Amino acid sequence: EDQVTQSPEALRLQEGESSSLNCSYTVSGLRGLFWYRQDPGKGPEFLFTLYSAGEEKEKERLKATLTKKESFLHITAPKPEDSATYLCAVQRNSGNTPLVFGKGTRLSVIA
Amino acid sequence: GAVVSQHPSRVICKSGTSVKIECRSLDFQATTMFWYRQFPKKSLMLMATSNEGSKATYEQGVEKDKFLINHASLTLSTLTVTSAHPEDSSFYICSARGTGEDGYTFGSGTRLTVV
Repeated sequence: EDQVTQSPEALRLQEGESSSLNCSYTVSGLRGLFWYRQDPGKGPEFLFTLYSAGEEKEKERLKATLTKKESFLHITAPKPEDSATYLCAVQRNSGNTPLVFGKGTRLSVIA
Repeated sequence: GAVVSQHPSRVICKSGTSVKIECRSLDFQATTMFWYRQFPKKSLMLMATSNEGSKATYEQGVEKDKFLINHASLTLSTLTVTSAHPEDSSFYICSARGTGEDGYTFGSGTRLTVV
């Protein structure tokens, strides 16, 4: 059974305090690992897709990395507007399959 | 980029009535759409997979007679919550399978409150 585990559940950072979020996964035939940002009362907003171990992608203060067992979302010098829930999801290597989501990490950045 | 429009964003209905939620892909055709349910501070739980022109595939534990899904065109899928009860109150989110890098575009969600 596909499983996605995110840690920590919640993270509170001071503005400018860099940190990393973890996503461990077990999936038969990984096609892609996705990171989304979700604000309260909104749908998930796409951040990154990673396809193979060793791949890295960056967007502003965010950087996502992937290994064969886990992915990290690094947040460098976060700002209060980075406060949100960050969701990790995996796609199995077989066509139009749905994403399997982790429970998310709720990030709060305090000014 | 790909856009999915979901309506309504909020709805309050009386117990026993039915509510329809629409999910439209605005600038691409989506042969497959997914419906999720999300409880407060919880992750997205897949309810069903909807393929255009065929019956939806429901996840274990999801009542297909309560949550009716129709995907009659390549740009529209609907979720109807029939005979709604307070326990059906939740945040419902649709997702359309596209061809861009993100591959999966999400709607903005519908907050359903059954009173």
